[in-house]
Amino acid sequence: DAGVIQSPRHEVTEMGQEVTLRCKPISGHNSLFWYRQTMMRGLELLIYFNNNVPIDDSGMPEDRFSAKMPNASFSTLKIQPSEPRDSAVYFCASSFGQLTNYGYTFGSGTRLTVV
Amino acid sequence: QKEVEQNSGPLSVPEGAIASLNCTYSDRGSQSFFWYRQYSGKSPELIMSIYSNGDKEDGRFTAQLNKASQYVSLLIRDSQPSDSATYLCAVNMRRSGNTPLVFGKGTRLSVIA
Repeated sequence: DAGVIQSPRHEVTEMGQEVTLRCKPISGHNSLFWYRQTMMRGLELLIYFNNNVPIDDSGMPEDRFSAKMPNASFSTLKIQPSEPRDSAVYFCASSFGQLTNYGYTFGSGTRLTVV
Repeated sequence: QKEVEQNSGPLSVPEGAIASLNCTYSDRGSQSFFWYRQYSGKSPELIMSIYSNGDKEDGRFTAQLNKASQYVSLLIRDSQPSDSATYLCAVNMRRSGNTPLVFGKGTRLSVIA
């Protein structure tokens, strides 16, 4: 298995532009998580899906952030409009089951820089 | 109180020594505990999980759990320079049913050759 695949690996964009991050979970995993990592705040959960359904988006910082999971093999995280404070590494992770007993597998992350 | 707390370090140990990494958590009902290793510029990688009080060993790694004290630790025996990384503690909170993992900010470990 190729693991959790994220794209792009790096994204540099200007303030106000739309940014779309993509994630393909491990086949057979039915839970998908979007995390954001910064030096100040560490790893923060933004939103998670179970069986393609958003379960909890309380971690999404503002309405500028949105996420979708149209099918079991694809999810997107969109920021519109982007701001410099959105600069961070965004990780997608997947797991089998919502109970998290098995831990998560993380993708390689997308390093976002908003200038 | 922060939900999952770790000393940020850096923790420096000489090669061959035992590195001890500690983590405390706030939710007494938590059931699942994980240690992740994250090399600089890389993604977190799961290295240990523990669910019951006591010790769990896997090679050079030992995870220890004390639910009464709300304390989890990771011991790395015979530390190697390749163990130098940030170690993240993750806990499954049970405040209201099953919830995703909450991560500590991590402890940076440096193994000196």
